[in-house]
Amino acid sequence: AQRVTQPEKLLSVFKGAPVELKCNYSYSGSPELFWYVQYSRQRLQLLLRHISRESIKGFTADLNKGETSFHLKKPFAQEEDSAMYYCALSGNQFYFGTGTSLTVIP
Amino acid sequence: DAGITQSPRYKITETGRQVTLMCHQTWSHSYMFWYRQDLGHGLRLIYYSAAADITDKGEVSDGYVVSRSKTENFPLTLESATRSQTSVYFCASSDRGPNNSPLHFGNGTRLTVT
Repeated sequence: AQRVTQPEKLLSVFKGAPVELKCNYSYSGSPELFWYVQYSRQRLQLLLRHISRESIKGFTADLNKGETSFHLKKPFAQEEDSAMYYCALSGNQFYFGTGTSLTVIP
Repeated sequence: DAGITQSPRYKITETGRQVTLMCHQTWSHSYMFWYRQDLGHGLRLIYYSAAADITDKGEVSDGYVVSRSKTENFPLTLESATRSQTSVYFCASSDRGPNNSPLHFGNGTRLTVT
């Protein structure tokens, strides 16, 4: 069965500190993985996708098939990064994880 | 962006009533989706549609009905609302499917069933 697990519901880091939002998945085929973000009072929007291998707003995520993980990382957190982050997997359907609420403390 | 709109933004209804949530997109995207967002469950897929007149169930479709007679509209109906359907509902659209193009979300409808 497809599943996306985000073990941390809440995560707080200080401004300037590194941040890592964890995402693990289970899928029998070759999945497409994504990170979506919802800033306060804004719509949910795509942050990045593994296939593009790009850095958006300083965030990167590497697909690790051995560990079935797609953790989101940023070396220096900013206050504007405070938001709800969802990891998502596309297989036979499109599944979201339960989300991690990130708070960056000034 | 205002390309996908949901109405109403807030709705309070009673158990047993039929409720329809509207979703309209102006991009002519082929794919449309309905999700519900609940604490501890994240976003769960209710129904999706790959094109007009084609709909498929998601993981939590029981108690819900959809239709897609026109590409731009994808209404979600709760046939007989229950308290467990109290949630925030998000509609989304995608041009070439979520693998190839991002999901664009509406602002959501907050539904309370009393």
